[in-house]
Amino acid sequence: EVQLVESGGDLVEPGGSLRLSCEASGFIFINSGMSWVRQAPGKGLEWVSSIGDGRGETYHADSVTARFAISRDNSKSTLYLQMNSLRAEDTAVYYCTKGGLTDFQYWGHGTLVIVSS
Amino acid sequence: DIVLTQSPGTLSLSPGERATLSCRASQSVSSNYLAWYQQKPGQAPRLLIYGASSRATGIPDRFSGSGSETDFTLTISRLEPEDFAVYYCQQYGRLVTFGGGTKVEIK
Repeated sequence: EVQLVESGGDLVEPGGSLRLSCEASGFIFINSGMSWVRQAPGKGLEWVSSIGDGRGETYHADSVTARFAISRDNSKSTLYLQMNSLRAEDTAVYYCTKGGLTDFQYWGHGTLVIVSS
Repeated sequence: DIVLTQSPGTLSLSPGERATLSCRASQSVSSNYLAWYQQKPGQAPRLLIYGASSRATGIPDRFSGSGSETDFTLTISRLEPEDFAVYYCQQYGRLVTFGGGTKVEIK
C-alpha cells in the first residue's frame, strides 16, 4: 500500500524558512517522480514543485521559483521542500504526491504551513 | 503557462441528476494530459480521470471524461449522495496547472 506522510508544517514569521518532509513507503521510491501541491485555506489546488525519478530534474511554479527548492533522499525514501523567504500567501496545506509532471493518484494527508507575525 | 478555467463555479443539482462540468484550457493540452479530481472537506483530492477519459482504479463508471485540445468535460451520469464535492481539472502536458474548481452542491 502506497503511503505518503508529510511533516514539518508550522507557524513561521514572514521572511522565515521551513523544511517540509514526506516519508514514502509501499513503492520503489527511486523509480518515481514526486511533487508538492498546496491549498490555501478555502481556495483551490496549486501545483508547487516536482522532481523527476532517480537524481531528479526539478521544476517549480513561478510563484515559488528562487524561494522554494524540492529535493529527495532516495536512501531514506523521503521528499523535501525547502521554503525560504516565506510570505503570508504561502499559508496553505502542503500535500506530497506520487508522480512528477503527471496525474497524481496518491496523496498524503497534508501538513499545514501558516506564515504570520 | 496553461491556464485552466472551470465552469460553472457552482452546480446545484439533486441526487439522481446528471452533472456536466467543463474545463477549458488557454492552450492545447498535449497528448490529452488532462486529469480530474474530487475533493471533499478535510480530505486530500482523489484522482477520478486521467488522460482525459481513462478512469482511475476503483472509480465508478458513472464518472466519465471526454474532450480534447482545449475543451474537456467531466460527466457524472447519476449523482449519488457521496458525489457532492468540489471537482478540479489538472493539465500535465506542460508543467502542471489546476483549474479553479467546480462545487457540486445539493439542490
